[in-house]
Amino acid sequence: NAGVTQTPKFRVLKTGQSMTLLCAQDMNHEYMYWYRQDPGMGLRLIHYSVGEGTTAKGEVPDGYNVSRLKKQNFLLGLESAAPSQTSVYFCASSRLAGYEQYFGPGTRLTVT
Amino acid sequence: GIQVEQSPPDLILQEGANSTLRCNFSDSVNNLQWFHQNPWGQLINLFYIPSGTKQNGRLSATTVATERYSLLYISSSQTTDSGVYFCAVGGTDSWGKLQFGAGTQVVVTP
Repeated sequence: NAGVTQTPKFRVLKTGQSMTLLCAQDMNHEYMYWYRQDPGMGLRLIHYSVGEGTTAKGEVPDGYNVSRLKKQNFLLGLESAAPSQTSVYFCASSRLAGYEQYFGPGTRLTVT
Repeated sequence: GIQVEQSPPDLILQEGANSTLRCNFSDSVNNLQWFHQNPWGQLINLFYIPSGTKQNGRLSATTVATERYSLLYISSSQTTDSGVYFCAVGGTDSWGKLQFGAGTQVVVTP
């Protein structure tokens, strides 16, 4: 059981470039989440999904898009990266709402 | 949304000391988790504790949901306990979304 994995671990982008972060879970969880963590702060929710084919906005969704085409994968896209999106991105999954969330190792993204 | 306040913001301990971290929240919850973020940035699940008391080795946690707070106890602290401790809560109508506190930075000195 790998749990929650994230690809890539590190990435440097120039302003205006695009990229996709991949989150995969092997626990057959219905719910998946993308959070971002800025220096000295707790995590903030970007987008989430309550099942295959569904997505919804979280607290800080602007500048990001997501897709959940397969139950085990949740993709986070940046169409035109900005320096304000420099952050560490964490993916998480849970069986259902109210159940324990399990987090991936994070992706450190720098936008110059 | 739910407000989450953690205290103290910073804590310096000598190895072997005990400490208590507090998490206050502003509304009813159906999820409360404590995490340890180590110096490498990894988030480690410590407790899933929307109510009641749990213990895991030198760590224990208590959540009093009716009074809207949770406590994390660290006993006989070790240098490996250093890092940031986060409390995160999920409201009853939140679709499982977690609201994180700002964290408590813990430094354990030898």
